[in-house]
Amino acid sequence: KAGVTQTPRYLIKTRGQQVTLSCSPISGHRSVSWYQQTPGQGLQFLFEYFSETQRNKGNFPGRFSGRQFSNSRSEMNVSTLELGDSALYLCASSARTWATWGAGGQPQHFGDGTRLSIL
Amino acid sequence: LAKTTQPISMDSYEGQEVNITCSHNNIATNDYITWYQQFPSQGPRFIIQGYKTKVTNEVASLFIPADRKSSTLSLPRVSLSDTAVYYCLVGYRGSGNTPLVFGKGTRLSVIA
Repeated sequence: KAGVTQTPRYLIKTRGQQVTLSCSPISGHRSVSWYQQTPGQGLQFLFEYFSETQRNKGNFPGRFSGRQFSNSRSEMNVSTLELGDSALYLCASSARTWATWGAGGQPQHFGDGTRLSIL
Repeated sequence: LAKTTQPISMDSYEGQEVNITCSHNNIATNDYITWYQQFPSQGPRFIIQGYKTKVTNEVASLFIPADRKSSTLSLPRVSLSDTAVYYCLVGYRGSGNTPLVFGKGTRLSVIA
């Protein structure tokens, strides 16, 4: 079974630009969550999508947005990029949404991330 | 505010058992505790998950006391390839809290 696939693996942008990252979940998984990982803040939850609807959201500004398609693939968009947005962006998929997986024992499985560098 | 606390780093010799403890005072009644392993330039890899008492799989054991305010990941007979960062994850509920909170991670260094 193929794992979580994220594209591109590496991306370089300049301040003020916008960027779109893509995530293909494990086949059959309908929940996709996004995380930002930086050396200073560690792993921080951005948001979760399940059945094309945002179900949970972390404490990030509105410049960070996402969407999910009917095939469960997800995209994350960051507008008006800032230097502080440089990070590893990770996508994780699971069979059920957090509202149930937290209690139901369905762990998330992560991709290897997109390394975003802002110049 | 929900908080998960782990030691920043640990060192161990090959062949020893390693125990990493995570504190999670605000864990909700129905939340599970999950541990991940991460190598450089890779995403976190699922190790083990538990709700209470003890869970064991082919790579690790997870001990959770009755009050569930902490959990301990146990890695038996570590090898050099176990050098990585280990994260505990607890799902938190409640308004104003970020639903999923990772610990800052414990950097395990295994020495030959």
